Amino acid sequence: AQSVTQLDSQVPVFEEAPVELRCNYSSSVSVYLFWYVQYPNQGLQLLLKYLSGSTLVKGINGFEAEFNKSQTSFHLRKPSVHISDTAEYFCAVSPYSSASKIIFGSGTRLSIRP
Amino acid sequence: EAGVTQSPTHLIKTRGQQVTLRCSPISGHTSVYWYQQALGLGLQFLLWYDEGEERNRGNFPPRFSGRQFPNYSSELNVNALELEDSALYLCASSLVPGGEGNTIYFGEGSWLTVV
Repeated sequence: AQSVTQLDSQVPVFEEAPVELRCNYSSSVSVYLFWYVQYPNQGLQLLLKYLSGSTLVKGINGFEAEFNKSQTSFHLRKPSVHISDTAEYFCAVSPYSSASKIIFGSGTRLSIRP
Repeated sequence: EAGVTQSPTHLIKTRGQQVTLRCSPISGHTSVYWYQQALGLGLQFLLWYDEGEERNRGNFPPRFSGRQFPNYSSELNVNALELEDSALYLCASSLVPGGEGNTIYFGEGSWLTVV
């Protein structure tokens, strides 16, 4: 079985400051890793994903994430945030075997202060 | 290319009533997933359909059901609505199971309020 832990439920950050949203996972099998973003009153949008290859993955809107197998982490980073980044961010893992078993974290609410 | 589309976007129902939510997957996607996002409870997996068959089900009572049509669109039905069914219902789709590294793409959701 897999599990995902998003270590921070809320992260307040000043505009133009860097941000890191933390995600740790556990799994007995190989997994794919994802970050989704949910803007207020909208559905979830794929931000980036790690399937294989380079452990540093770049996504949309200037976000990137690094897969660290030894620490079973997949933290999301952005060097300089904007007000428009205010949203909830979900980390997710899916075993190689089936998309139906994708597991989502509880989400991190990113609030940007001007 | 159109993304996952859901209807209706918002609806209000009375406790005890029934509701049907609809979803059209991205063109070429055969798998459809339904999730419930209730306030404070995160994303809860409801159902997975592929090639017209129910493939997996989350921990929800039988009054939550659905189906997938030959064109891969899907319906979610909820009978005997309860107040706690108030939530955002999200539909997602993917290529054949395992395609694209199991990436699923979400629609904008249907907001259900039960009063």
